[in-house]
Parts: sequence; C-alpha cells; structure tokens
Amino acid sequence: SQQGEEDPQALSIQEGENATMNCSYKTSINNLQWYRQNSGRGLVHLILIRSNEREKHSGRLRVTLDTSKKSSSLLITASRAADTASYFCAYGRKLQFGAGTQVVVTP
Amino acid sequence: DTAVSQTPKYLVTQMGNDKSIKCEQNLGHDTMYWYKQDSKKFLKIMFSYNNKELIINETVPNRFSPKSPDKAHLNLHINSLELGDSAVYFCASRLSLVSGANVLTFGAGSRLTVL
Repeated sequence: SQQGEEDPQALSIQEGENATMNCSYKTSINNLQWYRQNSGRGLVHLILIRSNEREKHSGRLRVTLDTSKKSSSLLITASRAADTASYFCAYGRKLQFGAGTQVVVTP
Repeated sequence: DTAVSQTPKYLVTQMGNDKSIKCEQNLGHDTMYWYKQDSKKFLKIMFSYNNKELIINETVPNRFSPKSPDKAHLNLHINSLELGDSAVYFCASRLSLVSGANVLTFGAGSRLTVL
C-alpha cells in the first residue's frame, strides 16, 4: 500500500498551546500539502511545501519536510478554538491522503 | 459562487438501488477527482479525470462508473448499492496536471447512507 500515516490520530489541547502533528509517506514526492477539514465540511488547503524546501511558514502554521526520513510535520502555534478540525497531509502524483489527525482545542 | 459544488448533499437509499452524485466546478480547472471518506475519516482516491479523460482508477468496483461530459463536470453513478458504500464522497478539482499546480479545491461532500 502507498498509504502514509499521520500521528497522533487525535490531539486535545488548551487554547494558546501549540499543536504538532506528523505525516510519514512512502512514495517519492515533488511536494507535500496539508489540508484542514472542519466537521461536516470539505477539505481546505492550508500550505504546500516543495521537496527542495525544509521549512515553510504561513501565519501561525509551520511546516517542515525531511525527505530523507519521508516525513513532514505541521505545527500550529498559539492555537485557538477555531483550529478544532482534522488535519491531513497529501502527497504524490495521485494526491493520496494520510489518515488525518483530529485536533480539539478547548477554550 | 461555490467553486466546487456537489449534489445531493445527503442521500439515503436502500441496498440494491442505483444512485448518482453530481459535481461541477466553475474554476476553469482541467482535473477533477472523486474521493471516498469512510466513518474513520480515512480519505481514499477513487477516480480522476483530466480534460474528460480518465487518468486514475483506483481498483474501485465496477459498480462505480464516473462520467465527465466536459471538464467542468464529473459525475459518479453507483449501481447495486451495498452497505459498505455508505460514506461521504468528495469531489475535488485542481488547475492541471502540471506538477506545480496540484492544490485541490474540494466540494462540501455528499453523504451517502445505504440501508
């Protein structure tokens, strides 16, 4: 299977804390993307990191990529209740998705 | 001005029936996808079309037949529905197959419940 893994499966934190989730993949990639899915909604693109980049920032989001380990991480700093959602990585020619990390941020 | 719209949003039907889900995008994108999300939120690619041509078919049972009448539309017809087909089906599009243009825009999903 080409399916990747995300961990943790679920994460519960307080507002203001940082949330970190990881994605491991099995194929070679040109880039890796992160998406957010709010409950009952479609996925929304957050950030894309290219294979020749090691780190990328967008607002409170920080993404790292280690192609030697075939892994990426997404850090959400100073989390807010509105960050409560599931987060998925996507990669590869077929844009396969990881299993997702469900993040709950409590006020 | 919904970019990727799917209909219906909810569909409840009996086993053995045939049903269709429709998707339209007004973004001018060349490439469209169907994904299936199960109850554990696992998202699996089913099909992809580029400019009306099927480019990805991920070993989906042939009860599922996608159709793309033009590059703005990708419909999914399912014959002889089974309980295991219950899921949320997402349509998505991307600008083109060019490597730097593969950010997906998703529809809101169609929740199919087979009884």
